[in-house]
Amino acid sequence: DAGVTQSPTHLIKTRGQQVTLRCSPKSGHDTVSWYQQALGQGPQFIFQYYEEEERQRGNFPDRFSGHQFPNYSSELNVNALLLGDSALYLCASSLRSRGYTFGSGTRLTVV
Amino acid sequence: AQRVTQPEKLLSVFKGAPVELKCNYSYSGSPELFWYVQYSRQRLQLLLRHISRESIKGFTADLNKGETSFHLKKPFAQEEDSAMYYCAPNTGFQKLVFGTGTRLLVSP
Repeated sequence: DAGVTQSPTHLIKTRGQQVTLRCSPKSGHDTVSWYQQALGQGPQFIFQYYEEEERQRGNFPDRFSGHQFPNYSSELNVNALLLGDSALYLCASSLRSRGYTFGSGTRLTVV
Repeated sequence: AQRVTQPEKLLSVFKGAPVELKCNYSYSGSPELFWYVQYSRQRLQLLLRHISRESIKGFTADLNKGETSFHLKKPFAQEEDSAMYYCAPNTGFQKLVFGTGTRLLVSP
């Protein structure tokens, strides 16, 4: 089992551009959550997808959107990138309340 | 305000010394609590869940509802315990809210 896989691992974008990050959950998991981890900070909850719908959302602007596909994989989209969006983006999958399995993350740098 | 607090950014101890990483939370109800660990160049991974009451790698964590604390303890620290530790309550539907983390450094 490959666990949670995220792509790409690193990404450099220019301010104002749009980006899509991808996540494949651990086999058997049905819930995908996305987190943003800025340097020196703990992960901050962006949103969570379950049954292809956004179930919960953290305190992030509408520029951050997502999607979950029937195979439970997920995408995170960020529009109109700002320098402050530079961070490590973590995907975590879970099945009910058994704790998350995290991916290695996508390091996004906005220049 | 609802939040989780890990007061120590860095905890430095010698090998064999006892370790306690503090975590205080302020959430209504009875959230499920977790400790996550991130070793150097590895992904975040689950260390402990409070409802399982188990000991992992010699670590234990006791939930104190009166003090709203969930401190992580180990009687004898090892060098391989050096890592970043995050306390995280589940605030509902598996939404984990992470603290800022404590870096544990165990010196030989």
